[in-house]
Amino acid sequence: SQTIHQWPATLVQPVGSPLSLECTVEGTSNPNLYWYRQAAGRGLQLLFYSVGIGQISSEVPQNLSASRPQDRQFILSSKKLLLSDSGFYLCAWRGGSIEQFFGPGTRLTVL
Amino acid sequence: AQSVTQPDIHITVSEGASLELRCNYSYGATPYLFWYVQSPGQGLQLLLKYFSGDTLVQGIKGFEAEFKRSQSSFNLRKPSVHWSDAAEYFCAVGGPANDYKLSFGAGTTVTVRA
Repeated sequence: SQTIHQWPATLVQPVGSPLSLECTVEGTSNPNLYWYRQAAGRGLQLLFYSVGIGQISSEVPQNLSASRPQDRQFILSSKKLLLSDSGFYLCAWRGGSIEQFFGPGTRLTVL
Repeated sequence: AQSVTQPDIHITVSEGASLELRCNYSYGATPYLFWYVQSPGQGLQLLLKYFSGDTLVQGIKGFEAEFKRSQSSFNLRKPSVHWSDAAEYFCAVGGPANDYKLSFGAGTTVTVRA
């Protein structure tokens, strides 16, 4: 069966520091991968999606970037965090079906 | 452009009572519709999906949803709620016309009182 992992689960970072969040999927190949951000009391905002290695589409101009160095690995990064980057970050994957499956999320607090 | 509106931010329901969560969507082609549930601090779990066929779809945990094209709605229902149904519920729309990217509503928080 397929599983999706995210780490770390929780992160507290100072403003201006770098960021790297990792997402990996097991049990499937060539998935579509997605990064979402969920701000407090709000829905999910799609940040990036990828249909293959090295292929990244950005949905919202921002302080963040994404990379897909391997088929089942998706990384969200920032060179300098802003206070507004705080939130709950969710990774998701889609295989041959129509629905997306979500990871457990990373809670990021920028102080 | 695609979008989802969930008109109710918060709903409180008694245990054993029925529940209905509203969802209205905007999508330029045949929509693929989803309901997800999120417990505090957790990821999202898929409750059910619709993309064709019978407009009344059954999901996990006793939930069902009805697609009404004329009303651009996809409301979620459960006949009798349990305390464990307390969570946040998200409606989403997407489809092949937009690479299956999903747009989510802002969510409805459900509180279950004893």
